[in-house]
Amino acid sequence: DAGVIQSPRHEVTEMGQEVTLRCKPISGHDYLFWYRQTMMRGLELLIYFNNNVPIDDSGMPEDRFSAKMPNASFSTLKIQPSEPRDSAVYFCASSFALSYNSPLHFGNGTRLTVT
Amino acid sequence: AQTVTQSQPEMSVQEAETVTLSCTYDTSESNYYLFWYKQPPSRQMILVIRQEAYKQQNATENRFSVNFQKAAKSFSLKISDSQLGDTAMYFCALQAGNTPLVFGKGTRLSVIA
Repeated sequence: DAGVIQSPRHEVTEMGQEVTLRCKPISGHDYLFWYRQTMMRGLELLIYFNNNVPIDDSGMPEDRFSAKMPNASFSTLKIQPSEPRDSAVYFCASSFALSYNSPLHFGNGTRLTVT
Repeated sequence: AQTVTQSQPEMSVQEAETVTLSCTYDTSESNYYLFWYKQPPSRQMILVIRQEAYKQQNATENRFSVNFQKAAKSFSLKISDSQLGDTAMYFCALQAGNTPLVFGKGTRLSVIA
């Protein structure tokens, strides 16, 4: 098991550009989560999916952010247009279920810098 | 809504000493679970310890233990015999009902030789 795989590991882009972050969850996991980590706000949940269906996107900051999960093995988080305040580490995580007995497995994150 | 508060942005401890990281939480759910995650400089998120709210006994994992005070909604992490490898960001997290994990802002711990 390769774990949750995120790409790229680092992304530097200019303000106004489109950014796409990618995630491959652990095979067999039905839940996928996107978190954002900043110094000011810590780890915030942006959106999560169950069986490829978005369940709660109330954490998505604004319409510039969108997330998709076209199949069980792939998800994207897109920011268009990007702004400097979007600079953060973005984590993808997956789990078998939404319960205590199903630990959350994190990817290694994508550090996004918007200049 | 669930909230988690970590009031210590940064802490330091001498190697081999003991340190306690604080965490308070709030939830209206009666069924919930609490976690501590460690994030070293590599950015990897590592589950350190977890506690079921209905269990009165405090969880322990080797040098890591918690002090769970349910009435006070407090869940502190004690690290004994601190090692240089314990240097990391530590996140307290809460899972209540059938909702995703909610994290605090983290405490950056430095272990000094």
